[in-house]
Amino acid sequence: QKEVEQDPGPLSVPEGAIVSLNCTYSNSAFQYFMWYRQYSRKGPELLMYTYSSGNKEDGRFTAQVDKSSKYISLFIRDSQPSDSATYLCAMKGTGRRALTFGSGTRLQVQP
Amino acid sequence: GAVVSQHPSRVICKSGTSVKIECRSLDFQATTMFWYRQFPKQSLMLMATSNEGSKATYEQGVEKDKFLINHASLTLSTLTVTSAHPEDSSFYICSARDSGGLFNEQFFGPGTRLTVL
Repeated sequence: QKEVEQDPGPLSVPEGAIVSLNCTYSNSAFQYFMWYRQYSRKGPELLMYTYSSGNKEDGRFTAQVDKSSKYISLFIRDSQPSDSATYLCAMKGTGRRALTFGSGTRLQVQP
Repeated sequence: GAVVSQHPSRVICKSGTSVKIECRSLDFQATTMFWYRQFPKQSLMLMATSNEGSKATYEQGVEKDKFLINHASLTLSTLTVTSAHPEDSSFYICSARDSGGLFNEQFFGPGTRLTVL
């Protein structure tokens, strides 16, 4: 079993839809949770960063962490065609410096 | 966000040659940098952790004599793929950890696409 599970998609939605992206994990030591966006043939771009449980909002993006369920989510409101990319969740524990990534979910927002 | 650059962005080489990839943090200091490899439609696989002024730490299964890492300064790490072969063709991405950041965030470079003929 992988430490971090993420549905690879592709997830196709119409422009303006609310998008929900999710990851589950098995390592209870993970404390820091991140979402990255990666466009084709580019490096990942940090979108959201959350420590421990709770919600964090930044513009059209909301990140949620539920440590009791070992489940994290990224919501995108009013999705745009420019949001079409692969979204990677990543996480790490307090002591470890390297990130553990999910496999990424490919999102397509249709105009 | 902080900026990390990689050079070159794309390289094509013959089998048996060595290729050096540079990773630079442009506006922050990074005592730790990471090197990842990504195959098409797959996630990032950590190859090694590069520590400024000391030896790199390699992940299991990664040959340290093949993938030489040097972290000579707080803003520069290099990955040299020695005696490259076609199976080494991949997308190599570095990231740098902002030592001064509140959460020690990692910022990624744009990646280097290596094609070995």
